[in-house]
Amino acid sequence: AQTVTQSQPEMSVQEAETVTLSCTYDTSESDYYLFWYKQPPSRQMILVIRQEAYKQQNATENRFSVNFQKAAKSFSLKISDSQLGDAAMYFCAYNGGGSNYKLTFGKGTLLTVNP
Amino acid sequence: KAGVTQTPRYLIKTRGQQVTLSCSPISGHRSVSWYQQTPGQGLQFLFEYFSETQRNKGNFPGRFSGRQFSNSRSEMNVSTLELGDSALYLCASSPNGGVRTEAFFGQGTRLTVV
Repeated sequence: AQTVTQSQPEMSVQEAETVTLSCTYDTSESDYYLFWYKQPPSRQMILVIRQEAYKQQNATENRFSVNFQKAAKSFSLKISDSQLGDAAMYFCAYNGGGSNYKLTFGKGTLLTVNP
Repeated sequence: KAGVTQTPRYLIKTRGQQVTLSCSPISGHRSVSWYQQTPGQGLQFLFEYFSETQRNKGNFPGRFSGRQFSNSRSEMNVSTLELGDSALYLCASSPNGGVRTEAFFGQGTRLTVV
């Protein structure tokens, strides 16, 4: 079974600085997607960024980028120029496709942004 | 385009009762998934439906059931409620539920069992 581990329950960052959230996963599949979702206090899960396992190039979306290390099964999220609106719970998630049709989530990292 | 709509937003039920939660997916999306979110267990997959067929089910007791209608709207039902069923229930929709499609989430239904 696939597992996703986020080892940092909480992180904090100063506004305008950079923070990296860690995620590791375990799978025997070769075709899969990895995601970072953000859940603010409004509870709405919002997709931040995604990475296809076959792509060697790390995904980037504006201030958000990932460091995808397939051999190490590591998928970290870097947030540059942190803003107050980035404060939220961040979840790393795995979708192995096939006939699973589900996301497997990590426990989450609560990010605080200090002004 | 309207997002994923979950109703109701909040529910308070008594132990032993049953409850039905509703999810309306984004127009054109045929896959609907349900997740239970609790502080202790995090986000856990309940089940996924596509074209009225359940394709996958998580490790939950039979008290948890769901269905999908021909318009892709989905409901989940929990019978004989227990205190431990108190959670945020999230619904997600996607075009086909496959690995390459993004899942869009609703705002959830907060269920409290007393």
